[in-house]
Amino acid sequence: NAGVTQTPKFQVLKTGQSMTLQCAQDMNHNSMYWYRQDPGMGLRLIYYSASEGTTDKGEVPNGYNVSRLNKREFSLRLESAAPSQTSVYFCASSVPESSYEQYFGPGTRLTVT
Amino acid sequence: SQQGEEDPQALSIQEGENATMNCSYKTSINNLQWYRQNSGRGLVHLILIRSNEREKHSGRLRVTLDTSKKSSSLLITASRAADTASYFCATVRSGTYKYIFGTGTRLKVLA
Repeated sequence: NAGVTQTPKFQVLKTGQSMTLQCAQDMNHNSMYWYRQDPGMGLRLIYYSASEGTTDKGEVPNGYNVSRLNKREFSLRLESAAPSQTSVYFCASSVPESSYEQYFGPGTRLTVT
Repeated sequence: SQQGEEDPQALSIQEGENATMNCSYKTSINNLQWYRQNSGRGLVHLILIRSNEREKHSGRLRVTLDTSKKSSSLLITASRAADTASYFCATVRSGTYKYIFGTGTRLKVLA
């Protein structure tokens, strides 16, 4: 039981390049989330998916797109990376209908130069 | 910003002492949770308190919630060096599945 997995762990992009961050969970959770964490700040919600087939914007969605591929997988895409998107990205999953506890992946450290 | 505020931002104590950190939030909530983050790692859930509860205990953790003041506190008793981490509160806004995290308290426990 791997929990929440994220790939890659580290990535360096040049301004304007694109990439997709992958997230998968094996706990059969309905809801999945993408956050970013900047130094000295807590996590800010980028997008979330309450169930397969649905996605909603969080607090900071500009510059990102998401895909809920199936119940297990939720990907985050940067179409044209900017230095302001340098951050650590965390994926999480939960069953808010019952426990609300969120399970987090190990994070992806992204640097945009 | 929707983010909650936590204070203090940083706290340094001796092993065996108690650590108290506070969280304030802005909206009506369904519940409030506390998470721990060790350096460079993902967050780990510690405890949840529902909006109709005032106090909850789990091992060395004690959480209080005051919905009239929109605030919560986390007390860690008899702290250990292994408790060194950042601690975040998170609220779930009523009627949504959106989690809003506080800015965190960095706790350092000195052996």
